[in-house]
Amino acid sequence: AQTVTQSQPEMSVQEAETVTLSCTYDTSESDYYLFWYKQPPSRQMILVIRQEAYKQQNATENRFSVNFQKAAKSFSLKISDSQLGDAAMYFCAYRGTPLVFGKGTRLSVIA
Amino acid sequence: ETGVTQTPRHLVMGMTNKKSLKCEQHLGHNAMYWYKQSAKKPLELMFVYSLEERVENNSVPSRFSPECPNSSHLFLHLHTLQPEDSALYLCASSQDSGSSYNEQFFGPGTRLTVL
Repeated sequence: AQTVTQSQPEMSVQEAETVTLSCTYDTSESDYYLFWYKQPPSRQMILVIRQEAYKQQNATENRFSVNFQKAAKSFSLKISDSQLGDAAMYFCAYRGTPLVFGKGTRLSVIA
Repeated sequence: ETGVTQTPRHLVMGMTNKKSLKCEQHLGHNAMYWYKQSAKKPLELMFVYSLEERVENNSVPSRFSPECPNSSHLFLHLHTLQPEDSALYLCASSQDSGSSYNEQFFGPGTRLTVL
């Protein structure tokens, strides 16, 4: 069965600085997608970024980018120029046959 | 209304009560999902519906009973719950359930407390 591990329960970053959230996963599938979801205190979860496993190029969405290492089964999220609105729970998710989530990382942004 | 909506947002119930959670999606999607989110645990997929048919049921106790009358509505009927069932229940939808590409859109959740 696929598993997703987020080893950092909590992280903090100074406003305008850069932070990297870690995620590793385990799978025997070769074709899959990886996602980072953000869940702000208001609780509605939204998609931040998506990576296709067969693409070597790392996905980028404005200040959000990923470092996808397929062989190492690693999928970290980098947030540049952190803003107060980035404070949230961040979930890494694997989408093969089911959608499997990690436990999440709570990110605090310090003004 | 846009996106995925859930009612009620908060629910407190006794162990002998019967209640229902409602989810509605306004995105024209064909697949809908129920998740349970407990503190310090990964999101747990409970049920998946595709075109109103249940396609996945992840060993959920029978005290949780889903219903999908059409592709826009999903219910979770609750009866004789236990205190450990207290959690945030999230509904989500996607274009279909089979494609890995498709993003899931989440509702705001129902915070359930079982006394």
